Amino acid sequence: DSGVTQTPKHLITATGQRVTLRCSPRSGDLSVYWYQQSLDQGLQFLIQYYNGEERAKGNILERFSAQQFPDLHSELNLSSLELGDSALYFCASSVDRGSVDTGELFFGEGSRLTVL
Amino acid sequence: GEDVEQSLFLSVREGDSSVINCTYTDSSSTYLYWYKQEPGAGLQLLTYIFSNMDMKQDQRLTVLLNKKDKHLSLRIADTQTGDSAIYFCAERVDYKLSFGAGTTVTVRA
Repeated sequence: DSGVTQTPKHLITATGQRVTLRCSPRSGDLSVYWYQQSLDQGLQFLIQYYNGEERAKGNILERFSAQQFPDLHSELNLSSLELGDSALYFCASSVDRGSVDTGELFFGEGSRLTVL
Repeated sequence: GEDVEQSLFLSVREGDSSVINCTYTDSSSTYLYWYKQEPGAGLQLLTYIFSNMDMKQDQRLTVLLNKKDKHLSLRIADTQTGDSAIYFCAERVDYKLSFGAGTTVTVRA
């Protein structure tokens, strides 16, 4: 158990719909990362938040957005869903305390999204 | 920019050594990592190496880093059936970790 909790574990929805994925980081971790894992594109970095602020942005579509709340949990919102958005979405957290930090990420078990 | 590449599949006999290779492009990487993903689970850190090191050994795992060629490898000695999984190489540049596509290791009896 990594200490990172993601809900829901599985989600099936239709094209055009909107879903929200939730992540609770490990206790004490300030950074939250979102990754998308699909068969054809591997593990793609979407976005990172640190203590409530966006810190780094990767290949995140404009239809997707995320935020990190004061209690450090994070949500990833996916809207106008397309078939190609079907994937496993991982949240990861890390301490991120500068030079003393090795940058290890602790991953949740993922939310599997199926768009029909 | 970041681009991490690794071979997609490796089949190895139980008891043999496995070697998984990875290349990366960003010379400003500070740390390089190997993560393991078992079926139905998230990624779990196996080991990491700081960019100023050439080698790191941790029990059955040996990591070799060639900074000149931007090449990272993971050797698993005495491979067991429990080592069957997907192995991801990753590099850290600033605050971002970029992952390779993963190498699926299959251990056969």
